[in-house]
Amino acid sequence: DQQVKQNSPSLSVQEGRISILNCDYTNSMFDYFLWYKKYPAEGPTFLISISSIKDKNEDGRFTVFLNKSAKHLSLHIVPSQPGDSAVYFCAASRSGGYQKVTFGIGTKLQVIP
Amino acid sequence: DARVTQTPRHKVTEMGQEVTMRCQPILGHNTVFWYRQTMMQGLELLAYFRNRAPLDDSGMPKDRFSAEMPDATLATLKIQPSEPRDSAVYFCASGFRGRSSYNEQFFGPGTRLTVL
Repeated sequence: DQQVKQNSPSLSVQEGRISILNCDYTNSMFDYFLWYKKYPAEGPTFLISISSIKDKNEDGRFTVFLNKSAKHLSLHIVPSQPGDSAVYFCAASRSGGYQKVTFGIGTKLQVIP
Repeated sequence: DARVTQTPRHKVTEMGQEVTMRCQPILGHNTVFWYRQTMMQGLELLAYFRNRAPLDDSGMPKDRFSAEMPDATLATLKIQPSEPRDSAVYFCASGFRGRSSYNEQFFGPGTRLTVL
């Protein structure tokens, strides 16, 4: 039972354009959401997060949007750069307590120069 | 440059053999996680330790997998006996569970396991 779903296994975008990666979750108890980026032969690295008390969080070229009613979040990368080519994992957690993080299966982003 | 280290980086073994993967968390971190990455399931949580105590190993096949933290600088994940379906990349991650509601996890580079 995938509680965090990334339905697009891959995405190709031209350099300079916007990349939009989507994620859906089913567990209404999740209140903290994260995006991790993973390059080949490396471990995932934290990219950006958002708490459920917000609907948007921005960090440079990266913005995460949260729609709680739809149980949907998205990561926007503007402008996309070739170095952004990686696998992006969406993850969700409950704040406080145990902090178990549930990950999606990832979306592979390719930014074409 | 603090980082999580994992050994070995690659392991090829035959079915039935014991496999031990090691992880050195970042000094000062008090939480350790073991994940397995597969194409179908993405990143699955296998085990979680806080202050060296196992808090959750519900994602781990109990009959063949075991996870321990002999001390604060070493976490181990063992598979005995190994099976071809265990072939995957295994990641260790560490973090610090403090008063704030959430703390980032830092991942190691992973151990790529192939069981023939």
